[in-house]
Amino acid sequence: EAQVTQNPRYLITVTGKKLTVTCSQNMNHEYMSWYRQDPGLGLRQIYYSMNVEVTDKGDVPEGYKVSRKEKRNFPLILESPSPNQTSLYFCASSLAAGAYEQYFGPGTRLTVT
Amino acid sequence: GQSLEQPSEVTAVEGAIVQINCTYQTSGFNGLFWYQQHAGEAPTFLSYNVLDGLEEKGRFSSFLSRSKGYSYLLLKELQMKDSASYLCAVAGGFKTIFGAGTRLFVKA
Repeated sequence: EAQVTQNPRYLITVTGKKLTVTCSQNMNHEYMSWYRQDPGLGLRQIYYSMNVEVTDKGDVPEGYKVSRKEKRNFPLILESPSPNQTSLYFCASSLAAGAYEQYFGPGTRLTVT
Repeated sequence: GQSLEQPSEVTAVEGAIVQINCTYQTSGFNGLFWYQQHAGEAPTFLSYNVLDGLEEKGRFSSFLSRSKGYSYLLLKELQMKDSASYLCAVAGGFKTIFGAGTRLFVKA
């Protein structure tokens, strides 16, 4: 089954404790992206990747890091989480950037206390 | 700046037709997407427009006017299961910008 998976689905952590949210797709997609979704603000792009070893900032990259060492995986790293990073996070992938629909993972609900 | 504007909520009656509007102002344009998102779930793709005009897909249609920076999603024969949020998004360059979403409430 073609899918995007994320782990964990739910996470409660404390300020400053490094964490990683994993994302994996099995569709051989070149483009992958991370979004956060907050009430009233919609989906905002954090980082995206056009292919292996090629990543760039979205609109809200501060406090986040990503890497793309393999085509299927695109982890999101929070080196020192803060309460304002409490949000619902979605990973997505598409065949390529631009004119292709994105497939979203199930989401990770993160709470930073 | 770049922005997409959508109404925050729309209410309609089961069996009716509803139109959800989206106006956009972006620096690049590779196409406009509509996604559906049920509460607590991930967005799923509904439609894509890159040229002006209407794209029809069963009960769902989407319209685009690039000169006006305007799109709408038309849902016909509304069903209770259509109650969800509808997100418009513009792909420009390598980035994607989403609107805040429109919550559709379908009443019996």
